[in-house]
Amino acid sequence: LAKTTQPISMDSYEGQEVNITCSHNNIATNDYITWYQQFPSQGPRFIIQGYKTKVTNEVASLFIPADRKSSTLSLPRVSLSDTAVYYCLVAPVSSGSARQLTFGSGTQLTVLP
Amino acid sequence: DADVTQTPRNRITKTGKRIMLECSQTKGHDRMYWYRQDPGLGLQLIYYSFDVKDINKGEISDGYSVSRQAQAKFSLSLESAIPNQTALYFCATSQTGAEQYFGPGTRLTVT
Repeated sequence: LAKTTQPISMDSYEGQEVNITCSHNNIATNDYITWYQQFPSQGPRFIIQGYKTKVTNEVASLFIPADRKSSTLSLPRVSLSDTAVYYCLVAPVSSGSARQLTFGSGTQLTVLP
Repeated sequence: DADVTQTPRNRITKTGKRIMLECSQTKGHDRMYWYRQDPGLGLQLIYYSFDVKDINKGEISDGYSVSRQAQAKFSLSLESAIPNQTALYFCATSQTGAEQYFGPGTRLTVT
């Protein structure tokens, strides 16, 4: 079971780039790494996913080193509305898998003016 | 219209009562999940289903049961509710298992 570890909290200022790292030492070969954003009393919202190297979309970038034992979510030029809890999830992407999914406890990002 | 809906959105019930939470999706995904979230904590997987005939226990399935009535519907039941089941409950769907789409949640209070 690929448990994940993230910092409990981070503070940043508007306009800065924020990097949140997740450790997943026991990641399996067929596991993908996904990141989610959650606002209070709402369901998590998918941000980005990747398998290795770097993935970028209109919201964020995801950096994954060759050993895949960690990943870093990068949010460019954050704003106050990016204040939320960010979760990384390691999940198998294969049919018939009976693996249990594990969300970490998340990182509370607070963006200050 | 939302792709993943949950009913009810809020529910207060008494200890020992049976309660059912319902989830529906219009995304056409085969995989559906039920999670529980306690205040200030992450999400814990209760049950998951990869198709209508497939039901699997998650890490905290004790005290819960599920029913997959159709590809689009996945219900969670608490047979005899207890106060420590007070939490936010989320349903999610996925086509691949990695990218998941969550419903708005049900806030359940057991008194």
